[in-house]
Amino acid sequence: DSGVTQTPKHLITATGQRVTLRCSPRSGDLSVYWYQQSLDQGLQFLIQYYNGEERAKGNILERFSAQQFPDLHSELNLSSLELGDSALYFCASSVDLDNEQFFGPGTRLTVL
Amino acid sequence: GQNIDQPTEMTATEGAIVQINCTYQTSGFNGLFWYQQHAGEAPTFLSYNVLDGLEEKGRFSSFLSRSKGYSYLLLKELQMKDSASYLCAVRDWFSGGYNKLIFGAGTRLAVHP
Repeated sequence: DSGVTQTPKHLITATGQRVTLRCSPRSGDLSVYWYQQSLDQGLQFLIQYYNGEERAKGNILERFSAQQFPDLHSELNLSSLELGDSALYFCASSVDLDNEQFFGPGTRLTVL
Repeated sequence: GQNIDQPTEMTATEGAIVQINCTYQTSGFNGLFWYQQHAGEAPTFLSYNVLDGLEEKGRFSSFLSRSKGYSYLLLKELQMKDSASYLCAVRDWFSGGYNKLIFGAGTRLAVHP
């Protein structure tokens, strides 16, 4: 158990819908990262927050957005969902910007 | 741009030693990580190298050569539970003052009795 929690574990929804994935970092960690992992693409970095502010952006679609709240938990919002958005979404956290990242158990999103 | 290459699949025998190679090209290298990931589970941290040389941690060791853009993960005394994907990830420094962790596609290791 890494200490990073993610909810929900599984999410099944339809195309065109919007979902919100939630992540609570390890106690004391200020940095939160979101990754997408689909079968054919490996682990893709989406976005990073540090102490409430966006720090780095990866291959995140405009239909996706995220934020980190004052209590340091983070939410990833996915809208206008497409079949290709079906994937495992991982959240990771680290103490600061440069340390090793600890991954949560992931949310498996299935878009039908 | 960034590029990270690892073999797609490897097989090995229980009790043996296996070496998983990773080559990378980045503009602002700032450290290399190895993660283990069992199917459907979260990646877990194995090792970190930022200077050249070998880092040993029990049955796992990781080596880095920055001049060659090369790393390997060495697993000794293989156990069945070591069957997993092994992800090489490079931390790349970007102008604007931030790091990004870029993951390779991973190497699927199958350990046989």
